[in-house]
Amino acid sequence: EDKVVQSPLSLVVHEGDTVTLNCSYEVTNFRSLLWYKQEKKAPTFLFMLTSSGIEKKSGRLSSILDKKELFSILNITATQTGDSAIYLCAAGTQGGSEKLVFGKGTKLTVNP
Amino acid sequence: DTEVTQTPKHLVMGMTNKKSLKCEQHMGHRAMYWYKQKAKKPPELMFVYSYEKLSINESVPSRFSPECPNSSLLNLHLHALQPEDSALYLCASSQVGPGSTDTQYFGPGTRLTVL
Repeated sequence: EDKVVQSPLSLVVHEGDTVTLNCSYEVTNFRSLLWYKQEKKAPTFLFMLTSSGIEKKSGRLSSILDKKELFSILNITATQTGDSAIYLCAAGTQGGSEKLVFGKGTKLTVNP
Repeated sequence: DTEVTQTPKHLVMGMTNKKSLKCEQHMGHRAMYWYKQKAKKPPELMFVYSYEKLSINESVPSRFSPECPNSSLLNLHLHALQPEDSALYLCASSQVGPGSTDTQYFGPGTRLTVL
């Protein structure tokens, strides 16, 4: 059975801290790893990773994929209260199934 | 433009009502999705339409009936729902075919309450 596991499930930090969110996956026909940020409503897309070892960056956020060890990390530096959200990791599969397998998410709370 | 729109934003219905949720995208995406999300849980896939044809039905009860009238629109018809069906219903879309990515873009969702 396809599985995506995120850790920690919950994290509380102070503004300015750096955080690392983890995502491990076991899916058949793995194709890509996606990160989403979800605040009150819909998940918003952050990154899609398909190649090992190539870091993707967007401002204070960055992410990298390790296809040998089957995991990805999402780093957020100099956290702000606006970073408070649930961060979802999802694995995309090949074979025309267009399915994303979601992890349970990491709830990040950034306190002032 | 990566916008997916959904209407209504909120819906309250009784168990005997019939209602419909609507989703629209103009990104030229040929795959569209319905997800159900309960509080503090990740989205659960319900249906996938690929090139306007139903390609995945994740064993969803028949009181949920999807419809894809054209490549830009996706509806979810609701009938005889149960209180446990109360949730956030998310629509998403993505490219398909050679050179496509798995990135799904989500709409803002419809918050459904079944009384």
